[in-house]
Amino acid sequence: DAGVIQSPRHEVTEMGQEVTLRCKPISGHDYLFWYRQTMMRGLELLIYFNNNVPIDDSGMPEDRFSAKMPNASFSTLKIQPSEPRDSAVYFCASSPGTGVRYYEQYFGPGTRLTVT
Amino acid sequence: GDSVTQMEGPVTLSEEAFLTINCTYTATGYPSLFWYVQYPGEGLQLLLKATKADDKGSNKGFEATYRKETTSFHLEKGSVQVSDSAVYFCAPEVSGYQKVTFGTGTKLQVIP
Repeated sequence: DAGVIQSPRHEVTEMGQEVTLRCKPISGHDYLFWYRQTMMRGLELLIYFNNNVPIDDSGMPEDRFSAKMPNASFSTLKIQPSEPRDSAVYFCASSPGTGVRYYEQYFGPGTRLTVT
Repeated sequence: GDSVTQMEGPVTLSEEAFLTINCTYTATGYPSLFWYVQYPGEGLQLLLKATKADDKGSNKGFEATYRKETTSFHLEKGSVQVSDSAVYFCAPEVSGYQKVTFGTGTKLQVIP
């Protein structure tokens, strides 16, 4: 398996612009997670999905952030409008949800977002 | 609510030294416990896990034992290598929610 795929790997944008981050989970995994990592706040869970349905979005910082999962093989995290404090590395992870590895999370390589 | 505390870093060790990274947690019931590792410029990857009391998880020379009495899951390695330099995260399961709580991470630097 190719693992979790994220795109783009790096994104530089200006304040006020819309940013869309993309994720393809591992095939057959039922759960998908979006995290944000910064030096100041560490690793934060933003939102997670089960079978394409959002389960918990309490970590989404504000209305500027939105996430969708239109099908089992694709998810997006959108920031509109972006602000400099959104600069971080954003990770997508997926989890089987069943079997002996049901809690194990597999992370993508991350998208490094810089908002100037 | 569920929480996890792991020792502050950075931890700097010489090659072949013994490593311990402490982790304690609060949780409902007896959650599965995980250690994840993050190498520079990469995403996190699972290092080892334990699913019930007294279980010992092990991988790549690292070990951690599920201690129910002390709600701890300390990570150990007998002889570290330069290639072990990374950030290590303790992560107990959040029971009933199909997610984990990640600790703040402990940066390990191993010098030759």
